[in-house]
Amino acid sequence: DSGVTQTPKHLITATGQRVTLRCSPRSGDLSVYWYQQSLDQGLQFLIQYYNGEERAKGNILERFSAQQFPDLHSELNLSSLELGDSALYFCASSVTPLAANEKLFFGSGTQLSVL
Amino acid sequence: EDQVTQSPEALRLQEGESSSLNCSYTVSGLRGLFWYRQDPGKGPEFLFTLYSAGEEKEKERLKATLTKKESFLHITAPKPEDSATYLCAAGGSNYKLTFGKGTLLTVNP
Repeated sequence: DSGVTQTPKHLITATGQRVTLRCSPRSGDLSVYWYQQSLDQGLQFLIQYYNGEERAKGNILERFSAQQFPDLHSELNLSSLELGDSALYFCASSVTPLAANEKLFFGSGTQLSVL
Repeated sequence: EDQVTQSPEALRLQEGESSSLNCSYTVSGLRGLFWYRQDPGKGPEFLFTLYSAGEEKEKERLKATLTKKESFLHITAPKPEDSATYLCAAGGSNYKLTFGKGTLLTVNP
């Protein structure tokens, strides 16, 4: 158990809908990362928050947004969903904001299926 | 742009048959080279971090090594429970982490 909690584990929805994925980081970790994993693209970095502030952005679509709350949990909002958004979405956490230096702890992921 | 390429994409071994997985990276100012293990339906689990060329780290049947252009994950006498996808990631001077697409390892009894 990594200590990172993601809910829900599975989400099935229709095109055009909006969903929210939730992540609670490990106790003591201030940094939260969101990744998208698909078979053809591998793990793609979406966005990072550190202590409530956006720290870095990756290949995140404008239809997607995220935030980190004062209690450090984070939410990833996906709107106007398309079939191609179907993927595994992972949250990871670390103590510092320096992903390049420090190991990440990953949650079990949310499997999103857009029908 | 930072790039990480892993090979082979898939590897099938017999129990006890040693082999190596390759991770080639192109990043400016390597800050860390990471290996993760991912089981089906689960998140990646940290294995090793290597920081400089020549460094080696071991854990049970796994040994990771690092050169200036690539890293190897050596698996000695693997067991079926070593079956998983192994991911390599490189952190560059821009402090971003780039993952490879992984090697799916299957160890048959």
